[in-house]
Amino acid sequence: KAGVTQTPRYLIKTRGQQVTLSCSPISGHRSVSWYQQTPGQGLQFLFEYFSETQRNKGNFPGRFSGRQFSNSRSEMNVSTLELGDSALYLCASSFAHGGGETQYFGPGTRLLVL
Amino acid sequence: TQLLEQSPQFLSIQEGENLTVYCNSSSVFSSLQWYRQEPGEGPVLLVTVVTGGEVKKLKRLTFQFGDARKDSSLHITAAQPGDTGLYLCAGLNAGNMLTFGGGTRLMVKP
Repeated sequence: KAGVTQTPRYLIKTRGQQVTLSCSPISGHRSVSWYQQTPGQGLQFLFEYFSETQRNKGNFPGRFSGRQFSNSRSEMNVSTLELGDSALYLCASSFAHGGGETQYFGPGTRLLVL
Repeated sequence: TQLLEQSPQFLSIQEGENLTVYCNSSSVFSSLQWYRQEPGEGPVLLVTVVTGGEVKKLKRLTFQFGDARKDSSLHITAAQPGDTGLYLCAGLNAGNMLTFGGGTRLMVKP
């Protein structure tokens, strides 16, 4: 079974721009969660989607949004980028929803905001 | 906000040494997970502990969940260079979301 894939792997943007990241879960997995990882704050939960519905949301501003498609693929969007948005963005898929399910992480998208 | 504090943040040891990583919180978690993350990759789940006082072993790794389900430890016996990586603990809260600790970066030198 193929693992979780994320595209692109690396991205450079400038302040004020917006960015869209993509995540393809493991086949058969219906839940996708997004996390932001930075050296200072560690790994922080952004949101979780299950069956195209947002089930949980972390404590991030409204500039961070996401969606999930009928094939379980998910995208996250960050608008009006700030320098502090530079981070590794990880997505994780699981068969069912909820943090208690075994989550399989992708390799991440490293975003640099200049 | 539930916080998980990991210690130490950094650990550099020689091959063959033993080590313990701690994950502490003032909050109770329904379960606690340990992950290892290597450069350029996402975290990989090592173990989930659910019951207070539970001990799980994975080869040379021993995981323990505190009796009150507020803390956990990871002990590695006879560390090897292949154990090098970032170790993360994550607690599952009542909202069914994971809260991650800050991580312990381990380097095992041959």
